[in-house]
Amino acid sequence: AQTVTQSQPEMSVQEAETVTLSCTYDTSESDYYLFWYKQPPSRQMILVIRQEAYKQQNATENRFSVNFQKAAKSFSLKISDSQLGDAAMYFCAYRSANTGNQFYFGTGTSLTVIP
Amino acid sequence: EPEVTQTPSHQVTQMGQEVILRCVPISNHLYFYWYRQILGQKVEFLVSFYNNEISEKSEIFDDQFSVERPDGSNFTLKIRSTKLEDSAMYFCASSESGRAGDIQYFGAGTRLSVL
Repeated sequence: AQTVTQSQPEMSVQEAETVTLSCTYDTSESDYYLFWYKQPPSRQMILVIRQEAYKQQNATENRFSVNFQKAAKSFSLKISDSQLGDAAMYFCAYRSANTGNQFYFGTGTSLTVIP
Repeated sequence: EPEVTQTPSHQVTQMGQEVILRCVPISNHLYFYWYRQILGQKVEFLVSFYNNEISEKSEIFDDQFSVERPDGSNFTLKIRSTKLEDSAMYFCASSESGRAGDIQYFGAGTRLSVL
């Protein structure tokens, strides 16, 4: 089974600074999708960004971008110009392109934004 | 923006009792999912549901669990005889289709406490 690892249980960043959250995964597949979800306290998880494994170009969504290193099986999330509203739990998730429709999640990284 | 809604937000029950967790997926979505997160652990897939039947389930989803779409809007997870280890946050999700790249939209979760 695929595994997703987020090695940073907690991170903090000063407002307006940049922070990178790391995620690694283990798979034998070549075709898959990777996602970052954000979960504010007591709120639902919302999609931050999605990456297709067959695309070499790193996905970008406004202040959020990823560094996708397929060979290293690494998928980190960079948040630029951090805002107070970015404070949340961030989950990295994997989904196979070919087998099943479940997501495999990491344990999450709790991000604190310091004013 | 449409949301997945879950009720109740917190459910307390006695061991051995039956519980039903309720979800209203996004209206035009066709695939529905349940995940759970035991405190301090990863979000884990339980089951996916399409066209009024289970399309995939994990090892966790044993005979104590069942899912149902009793009408055109609700999607429920029933636990027949709750155990202490069923205490967790349960997330419902839905997606437009079962395509691998589809975004799964999550609800805010129901915290189940089994005493």
